[in-house]
Amino acid sequence: ETGVTQSPTHLIKTRGQQVTLRCSSQSGHNTVSWYQQALGQGPQFIFQYYREEENGRGNFPPRFSGLQFPNYSSELNVNALELDDSALYLCASSAYRGEQYFGPGTRLTVT
Amino acid sequence: AQKITQTQPGMFVQEKEAVTLDCTYDTSDQSYGLFWYKQPSSGEMIFLIYQGSYDEQNATEGRYSLNFQKARKSANLVISASQLGDSAMYFCAMRDVNAGGTSYGKLTFGQGTILTVHP
Repeated sequence: ETGVTQSPTHLIKTRGQQVTLRCSSQSGHNTVSWYQQALGQGPQFIFQYYREEENGRGNFPPRFSGLQFPNYSSELNVNALELDDSALYLCASSAYRGEQYFGPGTRLTVT
Repeated sequence: AQKITQTQPGMFVQEKEAVTLDCTYDTSDQSYGLFWYKQPSSGEMIFLIYQGSYDEQNATEGRYSLNFQKARKSANLVISASQLGDSAMYFCAMRDVNAGGTSYGKLTFGQGTILTVHP
């Protein structure tokens, strides 16, 4: 196990709602990256947080936002959920630009 | 932009046999890192092996080895002595390791290959 935890494990939301996913990073890691993995696809980079600031973003709309806290844990927030947001959301923690260690993921279903 | 291509949607191998999973990549960067991850049905991405673009020798980690051919831009994963527990999705990924600009260590993944190990 990597020491990276995510909550909740599974989540079902309705289109238009908002959702918050959480990630606790491995001890000693100050960077958290978030990825979206649609069914049958490879993960796609959403954004990365380093020392509480966004440090790079993939091709995702502004309704995908995040936070990193002083203890380096992180949240991913998605507003105005769409059906296509249904996916496995993975977070990975690392020392800055170091090896990324993934959590077990949160499976989000939007109906 | 970086791109990873895995052309094998699915592969089958007999237990105890070796199998090669293909990965080709495209990048204009001189310095980069290549990774292989295993993803069981539970969803967690498990790191298997890493190859740096300047590493002269192919990486090995136990039963995993990476056949790195820089001129061909390929980074194939070789699993020796396959086990039933190796059945999973396998992803090849690339990371920019340049220190400057907007490099922030994001991983670019391929589409994955589903490996099934038969007893």
